Amino acid sequence: DADVTQTPRNRITKTGKRIMLECSQTKGHDRMYWYRQDPGLGLRLIYYSFDVKDINKGEISDGYSVSRQAQAKFSLSLESAIPNQTALYFCATSDVKYSSGANTGELFFGEGSRLTVL
Amino acid sequence: QKEVEQDPGPLSVPEGAIVSLNCTYSNSAFQYFMWYRQYSRKGPELLMYTYSSGNKEDGRFTAQVDKSSKYISLFIRDSQPSDSATYLCAMRETSYDKVIFGPGTSLSVIP
Repeated sequence: DADVTQTPRNRITKTGKRIMLECSQTKGHDRMYWYRQDPGLGLRLIYYSFDVKDINKGEISDGYSVSRQAQAKFSLSLESAIPNQTALYFCATSDVKYSSGANTGELFFGEGSRLTVL
Repeated sequence: QKEVEQDPGPLSVPEGAIVSLNCTYSNSAFQYFMWYRQYSRKGPELLMYTYSSGNKEDGRFTAQVDKSSKYISLFIRDSQPSDSATYLCAMRETSYDKVIFGPGTSLSVIP
């Protein structure tokens, strides 16, 4: 089983609908992230969470909200989807230990959720 | 100007070729430089990681960082069809809070 699991993997919806993308992880990491990927724009950070009580906006949070239900679960919601939110969405985790100089802060990604808004 | 720029390609090379992938950046505070590899329909995976300036080698892969020029490179020697993927450069400041990704370069290695 994948360490970072995203559901659904593919979703087609209509403008104005509410959509939730879910992410769960078995890596035991505290930090979780939501990115969107668009051709030519790369990965852009939507929201990130360093623990259950900590939620932070990324560079493109408008139109999105998140919920950190548990250490292992982080969901992304589009309250009223619009066509320019059509993209590939990735959840990622990382485990940062500031006491370790060798810690890279590596991001571990799920396999992505492809969302199409018509 | 984008914070991180990368030629999107696509880049197509014959098997066995040396591949050079490059990124430029504008933020002089970046200290950590990474290359992620993303296969089709998969999430990115960390390939190489470098702190500050210098070179790092791992098998057929070499990462170079030139902070004075704000330029990083990934070299792939003896390229293989299995290297066909999108390569994303990424970088961050000393803080772990935010990683900035380049748009990615699509590479195809033709047998």
